[in-house]
Amino acid sequence: KNEVEQSPQNLTAQEGEFITINCSYSVGISALHWLQQHPGGGIVSLFMLSSGKKKHGRLIATINIQEKHSSLHITASHPRDSAVYICAVVVDKLIFGTGTRLQVFP
Amino acid sequence: EAQVTQNPRYLITVTGKKLTVTCSQNMNHEYMSWYRQDPGLGLRQIYYSMNVEVTDKGDVPEGYKVSRKEKRNFPLILESPSPNQTSLYFCASSFGVSSPLHFGNGTRLTVT
Repeated sequence: KNEVEQSPQNLTAQEGEFITINCSYSVGISALHWLQQHPGGGIVSLFMLSSGKKKHGRLIATINIQEKHSSLHITASHPRDSAVYICAVVVDKLIFGTGTRLQVFP
Repeated sequence: EAQVTQNPRYLITVTGKKLTVTCSQNMNHEYMSWYRQDPGLGLRQIYYSMNVEVTDKGDVPEGYKVSRKEKRNFPLILESPSPNQTSLYFCASSFGVSSPLHFGNGTRLTVT
């Protein structure tokens, strides 16, 4: 069993829809990263959080340390949000989920 | 401009021919790391470095070497590449493992 599980693996949405991507982990962590990888490969850090909630524009990330779960929400989704979203947990090193591929159609 | 620079972007080589992928950052970050990304397996950490002259193995270090002689540079060395090292490689840096990560643009390596 993977230490970091993401769901769903693939997600399609219509423009404007509210999106939720989930990340569950089985190890004790000190922090969690959410990353975005666009087609073409570049990886961008979206959030790093160790408790509570963070918001940046239309993106919101939450984490519940006790339940070992984090969510990434996208409000009013747009085709430019189409990408792979990856969560990574911090133990003494980084352990990555396998990613959620999101496609948003106009 | 703050950035992580990886070179080359694309590399095709043959089995056994030593190669180095360079990684340089201009943000004075202490933490640097190397990852490989393979379909279905996601990103996996190869090596990481918490500071100059300090390196540690990640999940998949076999067949790779690194060095951290200067704070800004963290090259990845494949002494004798094999076809199973064909992959997309990323370097990243940050102030610490719990700080936001900055990634290079990636190096697509093909070993024939």
